[in-house]
Amino acid sequence: DQQVKQNSPSLSVQEGRISILNCDYTNSMFDYFLWYKKYPAEGPTFLISISSIKDKNEDGRFTVFLNKSAKHLSLHIVPSQPGDSAVYFCAASPSDTGANSKLTFGKGITLSVRP
Amino acid sequence: KAGVTQTPRYLIKTRGQQVTLSCSPISGHRSVSWYQQTPGQGLQFLFEYFSETQRNKGNFPGRFSGRQFSNSRSEMNVSTLELGDSALYLCASSLVGYGYTFGSGTRLTVV
Repeated sequence: DQQVKQNSPSLSVQEGRISILNCDYTNSMFDYFLWYKKYPAEGPTFLISISSIKDKNEDGRFTVFLNKSAKHLSLHIVPSQPGDSAVYFCAASPSDTGANSKLTFGKGITLSVRP
Repeated sequence: KAGVTQTPRYLIKTRGQQVTLSCSPISGHRSVSWYQQTPGQGLQFLFEYFSETQRNKGNFPGRFSGRQFSNSRSEMNVSTLELGDSALYLCASSLVGYGYTFGSGTRLTVV
């Protein structure tokens, strides 16, 4: 049972445009959500996170939106750059174990930013 | 400061053998987690250690085990290897269980 779903396996956008990466979850116990970026042959790199008490968190070109009622979050990258091309993982953590101590990951979305 | 170091980077083992992977966390980090990444299943949580105690465990068979030493270094062991154990094994460390930093992983191939 996939508790964190990234239904689109890939996304291609033009440089300078907005990239929107979506993620859905089913477990209502999830309280903390994170996005990681991964290049081939490297470990995931933390990008941005959001707690369930917020609906938006922004860090530079990256903004994460959380819709708790819909159990949906999205990562917006504006403007997109060729260096953003990577696999993006959505992850969630239940509140009872403390954020990040047990992460449930989606299967990832491959983002390609065309020059 | 040095990041999370995993050794070895690549490993080839035969079915039925056992393997031990090593992870050195960022200095001062006491929480270490292990994840398995495969093309079909994505990143799956194996277990987490904090101050030498296993704090969380994922849904993997008992062939997968781990431990953490007093210096926070951690090892993961897989016994009786199966072809399906071929994966990228990632270790992540954190200061108090928040904000994990991942290592580059150990690529295990079982033949």
